[in-house]
Amino acid sequence: AQSVTQPDIHITVSEGASLELRCNYSYGATPYLFWYVQSPGQGLQLLLKYFSGDTLVQGIKGFEAEFKRSQSSFNLRKPSVHWSDAAEYFCAVGAQGNKLVFGAGTILRVKS
Amino acid sequence: EAGVAQSPRYKIIEKRQSVAFWCNPISGHATLYWYQQILGQGPKLLIQFQNNGVVDDSQLPKDRFSAERLKGVDSTLKIQPAKLEDSAVYLCASSRTSGGGETQYFGPGTRLLVL
Repeated sequence: AQSVTQPDIHITVSEGASLELRCNYSYGATPYLFWYVQSPGQGLQLLLKYFSGDTLVQGIKGFEAEFKRSQSSFNLRKPSVHWSDAAEYFCAVGAQGNKLVFGAGTILRVKS
Repeated sequence: EAGVAQSPRYKIIEKRQSVAFWCNPISGHATLYWYQQILGQGPKLLIQFQNNGVVDDSQLPKDRFSAERLKGVDSTLKIQPAKLEDSAVYLCASSRTSGGGETQYFGPGTRLLVL
């Protein structure tokens, strides 16, 4: 069965510092992988997705993620974090029929 | 383009009562999903529709939850009777098709508290 693990429940970074959020997945075939962001009281917004081709994917708001098949990972990165990036981030794998299986999420706090 | 609409945004009920949530997907999107997000967890798929047919309801507690999408557009999710453990955010999402890798667009969710 498909599963997603986000090892870090909370991460705190200083404004302007770099960010990496970890995601590991379990899926038998070539996965479709997604990162979504959820601000308090809001729905989920897609940051980026991977389904084939270049393993380094660029997304919105300056985010990028790298697919590493050998490590079953799809980590999210941003070179310089802004206070407005504080939110909860979810990694997901697309299963059969485009159903999404989500990780438990990582809450990002930004220190000024 | 209008996004996914959901109502109500908040609902408080007592256990054993019934409740219904409504979702209007993005125009032209054939696939509609209902997810349950319990506090501290990621969303979990409850049911997926393709037009007005059910594609996947394997994780829907059918003894108390029901959902319909009669005309292949908007959808209603109902809980009857509600239990304390149903307290969660119910998210509706839609996508153009159910093809792999299709982006799902999410509504703002309905936050349910069962007392």
